[in-house]
Amino acid sequence: GNSVTQMEGPVTLSEEAFLTINCTYTATGYPSLFWYVQYPGEGLQLLLKATKADDKGSNKGFEATYRKETTSFHLEKGSVQVSDSAVYFCALYSGSARQLTFGSGTQLTVLP
Amino acid sequence: DVKVTQSSRYLVKRTGEKVFLECVQDMDHENMFWYRQDPGLGLRLIYFSYDVKMKEKGDIPEGYSVSREKKERFSLILESASTNQTSMYLCASSLSGNPEQYFGPGTRLTVT
Repeated sequence: GNSVTQMEGPVTLSEEAFLTINCTYTATGYPSLFWYVQYPGEGLQLLLKATKADDKGSNKGFEATYRKETTSFHLEKGSVQVSDSAVYFCALYSGSARQLTFGSGTQLTVLP
Repeated sequence: DVKVTQSSRYLVKRTGEKVFLECVQDMDHENMFWYRQDPGLGLRLIYFSYDVKMKEKGDIPEGYSVSREKKERFSLILESASTNQTSMYLCASSLSGNPEQYFGPGTRLTVT
């Protein structure tokens, strides 16, 4: 079956530090990949996505590249802000399963 | 903007009670989903629906049922609440054939 593995948190960084949150997946076929973000007290919202190999998704300074050879979709940001403090979820969508499969989430705290 | 609303942000129920969680979306989405979110486990799919009066089991349907009588509304029912159902419940919706899901703010349910 499909699965998503994220680096365990929590992750604590100082403002302006570089962020990487690792995500690897197992899936049949060619899934689409997503990063969702959950700010405190809110539901999840889509941060970025990539639908095929070598695609790069980007939004709000975050980036992730769909690497089929390593089955990875790592999230990066060059300079984090306090407002980036949230829980980040990696997810994949498989057309055959017709549903999203989520990773366990990574809590990010950015200190001023 | 797509809006997904959930009937309560916080709910406290007693063991054995019947519990209804309501979800409404305003963008005419065909697909609706119920997840539970627990620390370290990410989001796990309980049930989903691709059309009115249709439902399919997700990964953890035991102890839950659902109802979709109207396109915009998807209800999650705990027939006899138990303490292990204490969790955050998230509703989501999406267009048919589109993997991007839109989430509500969640209902934090405590069963005592």
